Amino acid sequence: KAGVTQTPRYLIKTRGQQVTLSCSPISGHRSVSWYQQTPGQGLQFLFEYFSETQRNKGNFPGRFSGRQFSNSRSEMNVSTLELGDSALYLCASSSSSKGSPSYEQYFGPGTRLTVT
Amino acid sequence: DAKTTQPTSMDCAEGRAANLPCNHSTISGNEYVYWYRQIHSQGPQYIIHGLKNNETNEMASLIITEDRKSSTLILPHATLRDTAVYYCIHTPGSNSGYALNFGKGTSLLVTP
Repeated sequence: KAGVTQTPRYLIKTRGQQVTLSCSPISGHRSVSWYQQTPGQGLQFLFEYFSETQRNKGNFPGRFSGRQFSNSRSEMNVSTLELGDSALYLCASSSSSKGSPSYEQYFGPGTRLTVT
Repeated sequence: DAKTTQPTSMDCAEGRAANLPCNHSTISGNEYVYWYRQIHSQGPQYIIHGLKNNETNEMASLIITEDRKSSTLILPHATLRDTAVYYCIHTPGSNSGYALNFGKGTSLLVTP
């Protein structure tokens, strides 16, 4: 089975721009979570989607948004980029069901975003 | 907030057992303990999880104390490829959604 894939792997953007990151989960997994990792704050939860619905959201400003498609692929978008948004963005998928989360998550390699 | 306490760093000689401790004194009766690791420049990797009983898989063993307030992850024969940051997490309560709180973890260095 193919693992979680994320595109692009590396990205350089300028302050004020917006960016869209993509995540393809493991086949059959319907839950996709996004995390931001920085040296100062560590791994922080952004949001989680299941069957195209956002089930939970972390403590991030509204500039961070996401969506999930019917094939479970997910995208996250960051608008009006700030220098502090430079980070590794990780996507994870799991075999969570509708009413029962799964914490056995499988992570992709991440997208390294640099904002200049 | 689901919090665990782990040592910041540990060393282990290659071929020896690595024993990584974790305190989770606020864990509730239905919350599991999960362990992940993150090798440099890669995404986190699931290792093992448990509720009450000790667990073993092909990667590691998990020993949970009877009062469930602490646990130990055991890598029986550490290799250089086990050098990574190890995260001990207990699953959030029913009102906390589906977010894993990774904390700072333990940086394990396996030396030749």
